[in-house]
Amino acid sequence: QQKVQQSPESLTVSEGAMASLNCTFSDGTSNNFRWYRQHSAKGLEVLVSIFSDGEKEEGRFTAHLNRANLHVSLHIREPQPSDSAVYLCAVSRAGGSNAKLTFGKGTKLSVKS
Amino acid sequence: DPKIIQKPKYLVAVTGSEKILICEQYLGHNAMYWYRQSAKKPLEFMFSYSYQKLMDNQTASSRFQPQSSKKNHLDLQITALKPDDSATYFCASSQTGGAAEQFFGPGTRLTVL
Repeated sequence: QQKVQQSPESLTVSEGAMASLNCTFSDGTSNNFRWYRQHSAKGLEVLVSIFSDGEKEEGRFTAHLNRANLHVSLHIREPQPSDSAVYLCAVSRAGGSNAKLTFGKGTKLSVKS
Repeated sequence: DPKIIQKPKYLVAVTGSEKILICEQYLGHNAMYWYRQSAKKPLEFMFSYSYQKLMDNQTASSRFQPQSSKKNHLDLQITALKPDDSATYFCASSQTGGAAEQFFGPGTRLTVL
């Protein structure tokens, strides 16, 4: 059964400094990786999706995937206080109709001005 | 306008009762999902439907029954409610196919007393 772990549990950065979040997964056949953001008591907003090793940039958000190391990371460039939220890593092994996402527990990011 | 509507936003129920959580999506998607997020666990996949047919069920209890009366509706009926059922329930939708992006609704927060 897929296990997804995120670190750190919480992270505080200053406005403008790079924020780096980590996610490890257990199923090496996984091929879909997404980062979501969840503001308090709200739904999820997808930030970036990545499907192959390397880097994928969406605005200030960059995901790095290394499937051999079972690791995907998210880097947030020039974070703002409005980026303060819980960031969730979601992993799936997409094939046919299989679309189940397995989530980590999240990293709570606080951005101080 | 919200593209995925979940009703109600908050719900309080007594142990042993039955409730129905409503989900409607206006994204033209053919696949819909339910996920649950409780205080102690990460966001967990419950069900997936494609073209109104059940594709995957990861919920051990038969007390949870999805109901799809229309292509863009996937309600969740929960019977014999228990305090452990207290959680936020998220509906999501996507185009069919395992790699498609899943978009999440705002959630229904259920509290069982």
